[in-house]
Amino acid sequence: GAVVSQHPSRVICKSGTSVKIECRSLDFQATTMFWYRQFPKQSLMLMATSNEGSKATYEQGVEKDKFLINHASLTLSTLTVTSAHPEDSSFYICSVLNSYNEQFFGPGTRLTVL
Amino acid sequence: AQKVTQAQTEISVVEKEDVTLDCVYETRDTTYYLFWYKQPPSGELVFLIRRNSFDEQNEISGRYSWNFQKSTSSFNFTITASQVVDSAVYFCALPLSSNTGKLIFGQGTTLQVKP
Repeated sequence: GAVVSQHPSRVICKSGTSVKIECRSLDFQATTMFWYRQFPKQSLMLMATSNEGSKATYEQGVEKDKFLINHASLTLSTLTVTSAHPEDSSFYICSVLNSYNEQFFGPGTRLTVL
Repeated sequence: AQKVTQAQTEISVVEKEDVTLDCVYETRDTTYYLFWYKQPPSGELVFLIRRNSFDEQNEISGRYSWNFQKSTSSFNFTITASQVVDSAVYFCALPLSSNTGKLIFGQGTTLQVKP
Protein backbone atom coordinates (compact mmCIF):
# COMPACT_ATOMS: atom_id res chain seq x y z
CA GLY A 1 0.00 0.00 0.00
CA ALA A 2 0.91 3.66 -0.24
CA VAL A 3 2.88 5.39 2.50
CA VAL A 4 1.30 8.61 3.67
CA SER A 5 2.67 11.13 6.13
CA GLN A 6 1.07 14.06 7.87
CA HIS A 7 2.65 17.05 9.51
CA PRO A 8 2.31 18.08 12.21
CA SER A 9 1.11 15.09 14.18
CA ARG A 10 -0.20 17.32 16.91
CA VAL A 11 -0.86 21.04 17.10
CA ILE A 12 -2.24 23.33 19.75
CA CYS A 13 -3.23 26.84 18.79
CA LYS A 14 -5.12 29.80 20.09
CA SER A 15 -8.61 30.59 18.94
CA GLY A 16 -8.62 32.79 15.87
CA THR A 17 -5.35 31.59 14.41
CA SER A 18 -4.94 29.55 11.25
CA VAL A 19 -3.37 26.12 11.14
CA LYS A 20 -1.92 24.34 8.14
CA ILE A 21 -1.76 20.55 7.97
CA GLU A 22 0.30 18.81 5.32
CA CYS A 23 -0.41 15.44 3.79
CA ARG A 24 2.30 13.79 1.74
CA SER A 25 2.21 10.70 -0.40
CA LEU A 26 5.74 9.35 -0.01
CA ASP A 27 5.85 6.58 -2.57
CA PHE A 28 2.95 7.18 -4.86
CA GLN A 29 1.76 10.01 -7.07
CA ALA A 30 -1.70 10.81 -5.86
CA THR A 31 -4.06 12.62 -8.15
CA THR A 32 -6.72 12.34 -5.51
CA MET A 33 -6.46 12.74 -1.78
CA PHE A 34 -9.19 12.94 0.81
CA TRP A 35 -9.50 14.82 4.05
CA TYR A 36 -11.49 13.38 6.94
CA ARG A 37 -12.32 14.64 10.39
CA GLN A 38 -12.86 12.45 13.41
CA PHE A 39 -14.24 13.73 16.69
CA PRO A 40 -13.51 11.74 19.86
CA LYS A 41 -15.16 8.33 19.92
CA GLN A 42 -16.84 8.98 16.60
CA SER A 43 -16.40 7.75 13.10
CA LEU A 44 -14.53 9.40 10.27
CA MET A 45 -16.45 11.98 8.30
CA LEU A 46 -15.33 12.93 4.83
CA MET A 47 -14.70 16.65 4.56
CA ALA A 48 -13.42 17.11 1.04
CA THR A 49 -11.75 15.61 -1.98
CA SER A 50 -8.45 17.15 -2.93
CA ASN A 51 -7.71 17.03 -6.64
CA GLU A 52 -4.26 17.77 -7.98
CA GLY A 53 -4.27 20.87 -10.13
CA SER A 54 -7.89 21.77 -9.55
CA LYS A 55 -10.22 22.97 -6.86
CA ALA A 56 -11.18 20.74 -4.01
CA THR A 57 -14.71 19.47 -3.77
CA TYR A 58 -16.35 19.74 -0.38
CA GLU A 59 -18.96 17.59 1.26
CA GLN A 60 -22.25 19.08 2.30
CA GLY A 61 -21.96 21.14 5.44
CA VAL A 62 -18.22 21.72 5.19
CA GLU A 63 -17.29 25.36 4.79
CA LYS A 64 -14.83 25.72 1.96
CA ASP A 65 -13.70 29.15 3.12
CA LYS A 66 -12.88 27.80 6.54
CA PHE A 67 -11.11 24.65 5.42
CA LEU A 68 -8.83 25.65 2.58
CA ILE A 69 -7.36 22.83 0.58
CA ASN A 70 -4.47 23.08 -1.81
CA HIS A 71 -3.20 20.15 -3.87
CA ALA A 72 -0.36 21.72 -5.77
CA SER A 73 1.58 18.57 -6.58
CA LEU A 74 1.02 14.84 -6.91
CA THR A 75 2.59 14.24 -3.53
CA LEU A 76 1.30 17.06 -1.36
CA SER A 77 -2.08 18.30 -0.22
CA THR A 78 -2.53 20.89 2.49
CA LEU A 79 -5.52 21.65 4.67
CA THR A 80 -5.63 25.05 6.32
CA VAL A 81 -8.10 25.58 9.12
CA THR A 82 -8.67 29.31 9.06
CA SER A 83 -9.62 31.28 12.16
CA ALA A 84 -9.78 28.11 14.19
CA HIS A 85 -12.17 27.85 17.11
CA PRO A 86 -12.46 25.29 19.90
CA GLU A 87 -15.19 23.43 18.02
CA ASP A 88 -12.65 22.76 15.24
CA SER A 89 -10.61 20.68 17.66
CA SER A 90 -10.53 17.24 16.14
CA PHE A 91 -8.41 14.53 14.56
CA TYR A 92 -7.79 15.32 10.90
CA ILE A 93 -6.81 12.44 8.66
CA CYS A 94 -5.85 12.45 5.02
CA SER A 95 -5.78 9.57 2.60
CA VAL A 96 -4.51 8.86 -0.88
CA LEU A 97 -6.43 6.95 -3.49
CA ASN A 98 -4.72 4.50 -5.80
CA SER A 99 -5.84 3.24 -9.17
CA TYR A 100 -7.64 0.31 -7.52
CA ASN A 101 -9.81 2.70 -5.49
CA GLU A 102 -8.03 1.66 -2.32
CA GLN A 103 -7.41 4.33 0.26
CA PHE A 104 -4.35 4.52 2.43
CA PHE A 105 -4.44 6.83 5.35
CA GLY A 106 -1.97 9.14 6.98
CA PRO A 107 -1.25 8.95 10.71
CA GLY A 108 -3.54 11.88 11.45
CA THR A 109 -3.12 15.31 13.00
CA ARG A 110 -4.64 16.10 16.34
CA LEU A 111 -5.72 19.74 16.47
CA THR A 112 -6.53 21.40 19.77
CA VAL A 113 -7.82 24.94 19.69
CA LEU A 114 -7.71 26.75 23.01
CA ALA B 1 -28.65 5.68 0.06
CA GLN B 2 -25.30 4.39 1.21
CA LYS B 3 -25.15 3.34 4.81
CA VAL B 4 -22.92 1.22 7.01
CA THR B 5 -24.06 -0.04 10.38
CA GLN B 6 -21.80 -1.51 13.01
CA ALA B 7 -24.21 -2.25 15.78
CA GLN B 8 -21.60 -3.34 18.28
CA THR B 9 -20.16 -0.26 19.92
CA GLU B 10 -17.75 -2.04 22.23
CA ILE B 11 -16.67 -5.63 22.64
CA SER B 12 -14.45 -6.98 25.37
CA VAL B 13 -12.88 -10.42 25.19
CA VAL B 14 -10.14 -12.30 26.93
CA GLU B 15 -7.01 -13.16 25.02
CA LYS B 16 -7.28 -16.26 22.82
CA GLU B 17 -11.02 -15.95 22.44
CA ASP B 18 -12.50 -15.65 18.98
CA VAL B 19 -14.48 -12.53 18.24
CA THR B 20 -16.73 -11.46 15.36
CA LEU B 21 -17.35 -7.87 14.43
CA ASP B 22 -20.55 -7.26 12.53
CA CYS B 23 -21.07 -4.97 9.58
CA VAL B 24 -24.34 -4.47 7.74
CA TYR B 25 -24.62 -2.15 4.79
CA GLU B 26 -27.08 -0.57 2.40
CA THR B 27 -26.15 0.42 -1.11
CA ARG B 28 -27.88 1.49 -4.28
CA ASP B 29 -25.03 0.10 -6.39
CA THR B 30 -25.18 -3.32 -8.04
CA THR B 31 -21.44 -3.77 -7.81
CA TYR B 32 -19.43 -2.25 -5.04
CA TYR B 33 -16.51 -2.66 -2.74
CA LEU B 34 -16.45 -3.12 1.00
CA PHE B 35 -13.57 -2.34 3.30
CA TRP B 36 -12.36 -2.99 6.81
CA TYR B 37 -9.88 -0.74 8.59
CA LYS B 38 -8.23 -0.99 11.98
CA GLN B 39 -7.53 2.10 14.07
CA PRO B 40 -5.17 1.35 16.97
CA PRO B 41 -4.77 3.84 19.83
CA SER B 42 -2.12 5.70 17.82
CA GLY B 43 -4.90 6.83 15.50
CA GLU B 44 -3.57 5.73 12.14
CA LEU B 45 -6.00 3.75 10.03
CA VAL B 46 -4.64 0.46 8.82
CA PHE B 47 -6.13 -1.07 5.70
CA LEU B 48 -7.23 -4.66 6.31
CA ILE B 49 -9.22 -5.76 3.31
CA ARG B 50 -11.10 -4.66 0.22
CA ARG B 51 -13.83 -6.92 -1.08
CA ASN B 52 -15.66 -6.79 -4.38
CA SER B 53 -19.35 -7.56 -4.25
CA PHE B 54 -19.19 -10.16 -6.99
CA ASP B 55 -16.77 -12.26 -4.99
CA GLU B 56 -18.62 -13.91 -2.14
CA GLN B 57 -15.90 -16.32 -1.17
CA ASN B 58 -14.86 -16.03 2.42
CA GLU B 59 -11.36 -14.71 2.87
CA ILE B 60 -8.82 -15.75 5.45
CA SER B 61 -5.60 -13.98 6.28
CA GLY B 62 -3.81 -15.47 9.23
CA ARG B 63 -6.03 -15.00 12.28
CA TYR B 64 -8.38 -12.75 10.35
CA SER B 65 -11.31 -13.94 8.29
CA TRP B 66 -14.17 -12.22 6.59
CA ASN B 67 -17.63 -13.53 5.82
CA PHE B 68 -19.40 -11.70 3.03
CA GLN B 69 -23.11 -12.47 2.65
CA LYS B 70 -24.65 -10.47 -0.14
CA SER B 71 -28.11 -11.88 0.60
CA THR B 72 -28.08 -10.31 4.05
CA SER B 73 -25.90 -7.31 3.13
CA SER B 74 -23.35 -8.24 5.74
CA PHE B 75 -19.59 -8.29 5.77
CA ASN B 76 -18.51 -9.65 9.13
CA PHE B 77 -14.97 -9.82 10.41
CA THR B 78 -13.69 -12.54 12.71
CA ILE B 79 -10.47 -12.59 14.68
CA THR B 80 -9.51 -15.99 15.95
CA ALA B 81 -7.33 -16.48 18.99
CA SER B 82 -7.43 -12.78 19.75
CA GLN B 83 -4.37 -11.03 21.13
CA VAL B 84 -3.91 -7.88 23.18
CA VAL B 85 -2.43 -6.18 20.10
CA ASP B 86 -5.78 -6.60 18.38
CA SER B 87 -7.25 -4.00 20.72
CA ALA B 88 -8.37 -1.17 18.47
CA VAL B 89 -11.36 0.42 16.82
CA TYR B 90 -12.43 -1.39 13.69
CA PHE B 91 -14.30 0.33 10.91
CA CYS B 92 -16.28 -1.12 8.07
CA ALA B 93 -16.61 1.15 5.02
CA LEU B 94 -18.42 1.41 1.72
CA PRO B 95 -17.91 3.82 -1.19
CA LEU B 96 -20.26 6.80 -1.15
CA SER B 97 -20.53 6.43 -4.87
CA SER B 98 -18.87 4.19 -7.37
CA ASN B 99 -15.65 5.32 -9.03
CA THR B 100 -15.03 8.27 -6.71
CA GLY B 101 -13.20 6.48 -3.97
CA LYS B 102 -15.09 8.42 -1.31
CA LEU B 103 -15.87 6.24 1.65
CA ILE B 104 -18.62 6.20 4.19
CA PHE B 105 -17.63 4.57 7.45
CA GLY B 106 -19.62 2.73 10.04
CA GLN B 107 -19.56 4.00 13.58
CA GLY B 108 -16.79 1.63 14.48
CA THR B 109 -16.50 -1.18 16.99
CA THR B 110 -14.05 -0.79 19.84
CA LEU B 111 -12.45 -4.12 20.60
CA GLN B 112 -10.68 -4.59 23.88
CA VAL B 113 -8.68 -7.76 24.32
CA LYS B 114 -7.73 -8.38 27.91
CA PRO B 115 -4.71 -10.50 28.88
